[in-house]
Amino acid sequence: DTGVSQDPRHKITKRGQNVTFRCDPISEHNRLYWYRQTLGQGPEFLTYFQNEAQLEKSRLLSDRFSAERPKGSFSTLEIQRTEQGDSAMYLCASSPRTDRVFSYEQYFGPGTRLTVT
Amino acid sequence: RKEVEQDPGPFNVPEGATVAFNCTYSNSASQSFFWYRQDCRKEPKLLMSVYSSGNEDGRFTAQLNRASQYISLLIRDSKLSDSATYLCVVNINQAGTALIFGKGTTLSVSS
Repeated sequence: DTGVSQDPRHKITKRGQNVTFRCDPISEHNRLYWYRQTLGQGPEFLTYFQNEAQLEKSRLLSDRFSAERPKGSFSTLEIQRTEQGDSAMYLCASSPRTDRVFSYEQYFGPGTRLTVT
Repeated sequence: RKEVEQDPGPFNVPEGATVAFNCTYSNSASQSFFWYRQDCRKEPKLLMSVYSSGNEDGRFTAQLNRASQYISLLIRDSKLSDSATYLCVVNINQAGTALIFGKGTTLSVSS
């Protein structure tokens, strides 16, 4: 499968615990994005990497959230001291490097569904 | 005003019907436009990009009106498999970063 992969697919954790999610983008896609989606809403942007550089972060990304993409390939998203409001689907997407405007299409992974109890 | 607004759903149509979804966006600096499809508890999948001149892909036709900041999606000859949530999406940053999603419109096609 050459699509975006995410791990784990589901995570149940107790409030206050830390969790870490992994995303493997499509091979050779240099742009990687994290989004969060709650029930009945569209995905909301969290952060964006071009290669290993984190170029943009949303206001939604509080101090408890941190993302890395150390070698410009896979990325991790960590949530510290989870809260019930963090329960959501966390989606990763990637897009290729090119100058054409329609290359900004993003391809999503299956997501990690987080439940904080 | 929300950045991307879509028709409220759900749309319930019989097989073979033609259905149209509308979407407006608030930021006139928006650079690129897409329709994504999302099945229940699955990830969004790119349905089609939306070009300024309008574009068609089989039974699907997308239109963009930059002056009115309006995007549409027309589905002809609806199939049961078209049942899903359709997300209107815009990209504001010219460098092509964050996608801004609407809440989505749910389509249910019945036999």
